[in-house]
Amino acid sequence: QKEVEQNSGPLSVPEGAIASLNCTYSDRGSQSFFWYRQYSGKSPELIMSIYSNGDKEDGRFTAQLNKASQYVSLLIRDSQPSDSATYLCAVVNAGNNRKLIWGLGTSLAVNP
Amino acid sequence: GAVVSQHPSWVICKSGTSVKIECRSLDFQATTMFWYRQFPKQSLMLMATSNEGSKATYEQGVEKDKFLINHASLTLSTLTVTSAHPEDSSFYICSASFRTNTGELFFGEGSRLTVL
Repeated sequence: QKEVEQNSGPLSVPEGAIASLNCTYSDRGSQSFFWYRQYSGKSPELIMSIYSNGDKEDGRFTAQLNKASQYVSLLIRDSQPSDSATYLCAVVNAGNNRKLIWGLGTSLAVNP
Repeated sequence: GAVVSQHPSWVICKSGTSVKIECRSLDFQATTMFWYRQFPKQSLMLMATSNEGSKATYEQGVEKDKFLINHASLTLSTLTVTSAHPEDSSFYICSASFRTNTGELFFGEGSRLTVL
């Protein structure tokens, strides 16, 4: 079992819809969770961080964390074509020298 | 967010030459920086952890004599690809942690290396 798993996609949504991206992780002791956006040919950009159970909202983005079920999700409301990118989930393992463990990413395509 | 700057953005070199990539934290001090490599359509691969004032910690399978890392100050880490070969062509990205207790990373712009 991979430590951080994401559906590779591509996930295709129409403009204006809600895009839902999911991530599961294996280490129950994980404390920090991040969503990064990576455009093709560019480096990752941090868009959300979440540390406690529940929802965290920032503009059109909402991160949801459920430690009991070991999943973290990202919702993008009113999706725009400019949101088309690969979304990477990253988790800090409690016992791994606090290194980030990366998922392989989900490719999102927002269609005009 | 915190700013990490990387230079150069693009580099093309001949096989056998060495290439140096710089990574700077512009508005914070970074005791730890991370170097990643990413091949086309693949995920990020951590190469090494760069610690200010001490030797870098390399991931399994990464040749420390080929990828020299120097972290001489709290704002600068360098990666030197020695005797580069075409298979070293890749996208190299550095990152730094602004809040070390959370693991949150900010990335430089990346350096695309092409070895002819």
